[in-house]
Amino acid sequence: GQQLNQSPQSMFIQEGEDVSMNCTSSSIFNTWLWYKQDPGEGPVLLIALYKAGELTSNGRLTAQFGITRKDSFLNISASIPSDVGIYFCAGLPFLGTSYGKLTFGQGTILTVHP
Amino acid sequence: NAGVTQTPKFRILKIGQSMTLQCTQDMNHNYMYWYRQDPGMGLKLIYYSVGAGITDKGEVPNGYNVSRSTTEDFPLRLELAAPSQTSVYFCASSYGTGIPDTQYFGPGTRLTVL
Repeated sequence: GQQLNQSPQSMFIQEGEDVSMNCTSSSIFNTWLWYKQDPGEGPVLLIALYKAGELTSNGRLTAQFGITRKDSFLNISASIPSDVGIYFCAGLPFLGTSYGKLTFGQGTILTVHP
Repeated sequence: NAGVTQTPKFRILKIGQSMTLQCTQDMNHNYMYWYRQDPGMGLKLIYYSVGAGITDKGEVPNGYNVSRSTTEDFPLRLELAAPSQTSVYFCASSYGTGIPDTQYFGPGTRLTVL
């Protein structure tokens, strides 16, 4: 099946630092989504991107849909302790009716030291 | 509005036992999904449903069965549990209208097969 390569796998940062992570694919995606998962919880949607080149913000989070449709980036500015968790990218393929069947990246584990 | 609820939260099974993971949503969503999450592997789609009475396989359906007799419920059945099915299972739902729409996840069921 399709694969998304997400990097880095983990990050250890100091509070106040900015964070960048990205997701790449060998195939085209129609939509890119970024989720956050807190320990013991299900993923929660942070940002959705629908057009190539689109740049969207949600508070301190900014995400971009790559021009080639094969990548996406997430930036978190001025990190705080509650940013700790696992961040997942997910893509919806450009294949007609896909019934919302998402492909997920492996996740980036973020640790923020106070 | 409880959203997506899953029971049980934790379960330990012996090899060869069977069980049903329950999932209920109260948002009148058409689409429902079952994912499994293995460490460092992201989420993989097991089965999905686009409405009552309609189900289809995802990426990793072997060893599982589903049914969708009502809009609200989408149980996942393990018939002969195997150690390879040790994982965290997430149910999700979405309206299924528009391109795309947001998937809402339940809190997960952590299953161990010994």
